[in-house]
Amino acid sequence: EAGVVQSPRYKIIEKKQPVAFWCNPISGHNTLYWYLQNLGQGPELLIRYENEEAVDDSQLPKDRFSAERLKGVDSTLKIQPAELGDSAVYLCASSLSPNEKLFFGSGTQLSVL
Amino acid sequence: AQKITQTQPGMFVQEKEAVTLDCTYDTSDPSYGLFWYKQPSSGEMIFLIYQGSYDQQNATEGRYSLNFQKARKSANLVISASQLGDSAMYFCAMRGTLTGANNLFFGTGTRLTVIP
Repeated sequence: EAGVVQSPRYKIIEKKQPVAFWCNPISGHNTLYWYLQNLGQGPELLIRYENEEAVDDSQLPKDRFSAERLKGVDSTLKIQPAELGDSAVYLCASSLSPNEKLFFGSGTQLSVL
Repeated sequence: AQKITQTQPGMFVQEKEAVTLDCTYDTSDPSYGLFWYKQPSSGEMIFLIYQGSYDQQNATEGRYSLNFQKARKSANLVISASQLGDSAMYFCAMRGTLTGANNLFFGTGTRLTVIP
């Protein structure tokens, strides 16, 4: 069974440029999460989806971040425009339901120059 | 508010020895779950073990066991017979049923190094 797939694995951009991250969750997992992990820190939740509905986006900086999960499967996280402080690892995770354990992808490491 | 504290930035253990990674938490939720994840250098977070707040016995998964002391609000991870492949970051996490329901909150992690 395939795990959570994220792409790209690495991304280097200049500040003020847009960037997008893609996530394909485990088949059948209705709940999808995007986490931000700064260097030396634990992951912090950005947004949680139940199917195609964003049920918790309270930590998503909505002035520059956006996310979507069309058809309740794949998800895209976008930053526009990127700032130097956005340099971090962006992790996607999925679970069968909100009460189940999370399975994580390998993350996208973003470097903003 | 929920809070997870891991006070050990780094730990060293000799191969084949046991090691305990500390985790304390704070929550006002009556029911909650505690998790441990492993993050090797590849970056992927790997689920290790889960403990529910109403579980009567401490959770065990192979070489991993969770020393759950509810009154002290601690959920320490014990790794027995350490292997070189255990070298990684370890994160304690909590999920409540009221505060931030169904969201997983992580500690800052402990870097474990297994010495041959």
